[in-house]
Amino acid sequence: GESVGLHLPTLSVQEGDNSIINCAYSNSASDYFIWYKQESGKGPQFIIDIRSNMDKRQGQRVTVLLNKTVKHLSLQIAATQPGDSAVYFCAENRGLPDSSYKLIFGSGTRLLVRP
Amino acid sequence: KAGVTQTPRYLIKTRGQQVTLSCSPISGHRSVSWYQQTPGQGLQFLFEYFSETQRNKGNFPGRFSGRQFSNSRSEMNVSTLELGDSALYLCASSFQGRDEKLFFGSGTQLSVL
Repeated sequence: GESVGLHLPTLSVQEGDNSIINCAYSNSASDYFIWYKQESGKGPQFIIDIRSNMDKRQGQRVTVLLNKTVKHLSLQIAATQPGDSAVYFCAENRGLPDSSYKLIFGSGTRLLVRP
Repeated sequence: KAGVTQTPRYLIKTRGQQVTLSCSPISGHRSVSWYQQTPGQGLQFLFEYFSETQRNKGNFPGRFSGRQFSNSRSEMNVSTLELGDSALYLCASSFQGRDEKLFFGSGTQLSVL
């Protein structure tokens, strides 16, 4: 199946600091991207999305940046809290023009928040 | 509004058996996708259904199949189970498809012995 090979880097941050999680995607034709948070024993939880006609999008305490030139996506979490501890995945949509959905996920980054 | 519901939550099967997993999407959502999550391969796309039609399929063998009913509920079936099929199977739904928020259920944890 299609997937980035699994290597789970870990980002450890102090509570209250800002976190930046990075992701590289592979298909320059991908035009829709999503960040998900997954806690142990749960399914991925939608955080924020961005379309390729945007460079930046902000949500509540989160910002996603998209650099299409280098095919790079980042998720910034402001004032990181213990509840933010989880694995974070970026995903690119490689669906067909008929509106189908086919997400290709990155390998994920584990975020650990130190109290 | 209720989220994506998957049943059962846990399942134990033996090699050679077949299994059916069920998914109820968020009310009003017509697109349902299935993903397999394993420690070794991460999250991989299985297939996507919309209005009872499979619109897209991942690179999995024919033992993996699915269907969608007129009420948008979906099932996936795995026949002739292999040890490597042990995984968390996740269902996700969106209103119509791409470029819309995709919401996941908690998954069915399948263990093949």
